[in-house]
Amino acid sequence: AQSVTQLDSHVSVSEGTPVLLRCNYSSSYSPSLFWYVQHPNKGLQLLLKYTSAATLVKGINGFEAEFKKSETSFHLTKPSAHMSDAAEYFCVVSRNQGGKLIFGQGTELSVKP
Amino acid sequence: DTAVSQTPKYLVTQMGNDKSIKCEQNLGHDTMYWYKQDSKKFLKIMFSYNNKELIINETVPNRFSPKSPDKAHLNLHINSLELGDSAVYFCASSEPTFFLGGASQETQYFGPGTRLLVL
Repeated sequence: AQSVTQLDSHVSVSEGTPVLLRCNYSSSYSPSLFWYVQHPNKGLQLLLKYTSAATLVKGINGFEAEFKKSETSFHLTKPSAHMSDAAEYFCVVSRNQGGKLIFGQGTELSVKP
Repeated sequence: DTAVSQTPKYLVTQMGNDKSIKCEQNLGHDTMYWYKQDSKKFLKIMFSYNNKELIINETVPNRFSPKSPDKAHLNLHINSLELGDSAVYFCASSEPTFFLGGASQETQYFGPGTRLLVL
């Protein structure tokens, strides 16, 4: 069965410092992995996705994630946080069953001035 | 020019009522979904339709009935609303998923959500 675990429910950083949001996955086959962001009272927006083409995936707004099969991880990083990055971030794995997405519990990112 | 739209944005209603949420996408996608986000922000899929045909039906009470009049629309009707139905409901759409021995790779595009409060 596929699952994802986001290791931190809340991360707080200062503006201009690096961001690290951690995600571990479990999958019986080569997974497709996604990071989505949800700003307050908004819908979900795709940040980036991994589909086995390259292990380092670049997304929008300066975010990137590295797929590490040996560690079953797909951590999201950004070199320098911006106030507008404050949001809820979801790590997601896709099941081979009609496009079903399995969401992690979410990590709330706070950015302090 | 909104890609995936939902109406209404907010819905406040009494227990026992019947209500509908509408979803429309103008992306030309064949596959549409309904997700529920609870008060702890946990998201879970409820239904998926591909070209008007139901392909995913999670363990959802049969008070919830999706209806797809055409591939651009997927509506959600809820009968006899209960307090526990209070949540944010998201519609999404994607290209058709192709099973090539692995996980589907298509990006899902989400609507803005419908915030349902049952009193």
